[in-house]
Amino acid sequence: GENVEQHPSTLSVQEGDSAVIKCTYSDSASNYFPWYKQELGKGPQLIIDIRSNVGEKKDQRIAVTLNKTAKHFSLHITETQPEDSAVYFCAAQGTSYGKLTFGQGTILTVHP
Amino acid sequence: DAGVIQSPRHEVTEMGQEVTLRCKPISGHNSLFWYRQTMMRGLELLIYFNNNVPIDDSGMPEDRFSAKMPNASFSTLKIQPSEPRDSAVYFCASSGQGGDTEAFFGQGTRLTVV
Repeated sequence: GENVEQHPSTLSVQEGDSAVIKCTYSDSASNYFPWYKQELGKGPQLIIDIRSNVGEKKDQRIAVTLNKTAKHFSLHITETQPEDSAVYFCAAQGTSYGKLTFGQGTILTVHP
Repeated sequence: DAGVIQSPRHEVTEMGQEVTLRCKPISGHNSLFWYRQTMMRGLELLIYFNNNVPIDDSGMPEDRFSAKMPNASFSTLKIQPSEPRDSAVYFCASSGQGGDTEAFFGQGTRLTVV
């Protein structure tokens, strides 16, 4: 089955700096790669996603890149703000009914 | 739509008791997923349904766990008997038709087995 590795497990940055989280996946058939943000006491919430026919996608301060040859994808957050502090999960989805395999998560802390 | 609704939000039970977690997916969604979240293992997919039919239950840890989806608007995850190692946050998520569509998560049920 699919295996997703996520790094780093924790990331601490100063407000205004950029943050980058990286993931690799194992199943070359995977074709959908969402990123979720989870705040304390809440369920994960989608912040951006990318499909296998696209190499990069941007939404304001958030961007995601995908390298299908190398089977890795990354989340980039620019001009970080304290409210970006949360746990971020990458995920990969294959061809079956929307089944998502998640990475282990990254705890992002943005210091004012 | 109110989103994916889970109940209860918190459950504390004694070892050996039966626990039932409930989920109401978003109306119109045809895929439903049960996840378990722990510090050690992260987010694990337990089972998922498509059009109310269980597709893959390979993530269910053992026979003490069972899940049902009697109709498109309701699903349950049951643990019988419960054990302390079952303590975790259990999430239900739903998504629309086909693949590569957003999965929406509920707020989760925090289960503590003492």
